[in-house]
Amino acid sequence: QSALTQPASVSGSPGQSITISCTGTSSDVGGYNYVSWYQQHPGKAPKLMIYEVSNRPSGVSNRFSGSKSGNTASLTISGLQAEDEADYYCYSYRSSSTPYVFGTGTKVTVL
Amino acid sequence: EVQLVESGGVLVQPGGSLRLSCAASGFTFSNYWMAWVRQAPGKGLEWVANIKTDGSEKYYVDSVKGRFTISRDNAKNSLYLQMNSLRAGDTAVYYCATDNYYKCDYWGQGTLVTVSS
Repeated sequence: QSALTQPASVSGSPGQSITISCTGTSSDVGGYNYVSWYQQHPGKAPKLMIYEVSNRPSGVSNRFSGSKSGNTASLTISGLQAEDEADYYCYSYRSSSTPYVFGTGTKVTVL
Repeated sequence: EVQLVESGGVLVQPGGSLRLSCAASGFTFSNYWMAWVRQAPGKGLEWVANIKTDGSEKYYVDSVKGRFTISRDNAKNSLYLQMNSLRAGDTAVYYCATDNYYKCDYWGQGTLVTVSS
């Protein structure tokens, strides 16, 4: 099963906004509103940042937002801060024998 | 406070077996689907398996079907992953996570499994 496609890296200056894309198919991202996003700092466990495309868990900054159009979901980080430098993964339900799939991951660098 | 603590990761030879455990606390374990996710060194996250609240449904990624078995003991608030016929490609940090309505909202710190001769 192929992973969802994300850009390998995205960078921005403090205060700027960046967007990470996550491209799948109609069997996963495009077919369901079950896309979530995870932040992972080096050596740490992933942390849920967005669920069901655009919902933020309690405690997650409102600088993080999610959206979806067709087979592509997006995570936007506004007002970029140094602490946002991390790897980000999308995740989606998939209608197949393997019901879930992660994206390839994106390294965010704050310049 | 939700806590998930994995254990059991060690160095094992190719073809060997290992059982990982995940001890859960701070929430009603029996009400949650649970999942295992792994991450090979320097690589991305890979969903491995999940299990329904009562253990009656289990799903696996194709690469581990027939070799790995996920199970749970709700009386002990524990999740397990029995791994057989281990390969070098199974080398990874293994995380347990709550599988809560299509999202993994809580994660353990992970346990490292190294498959090497």
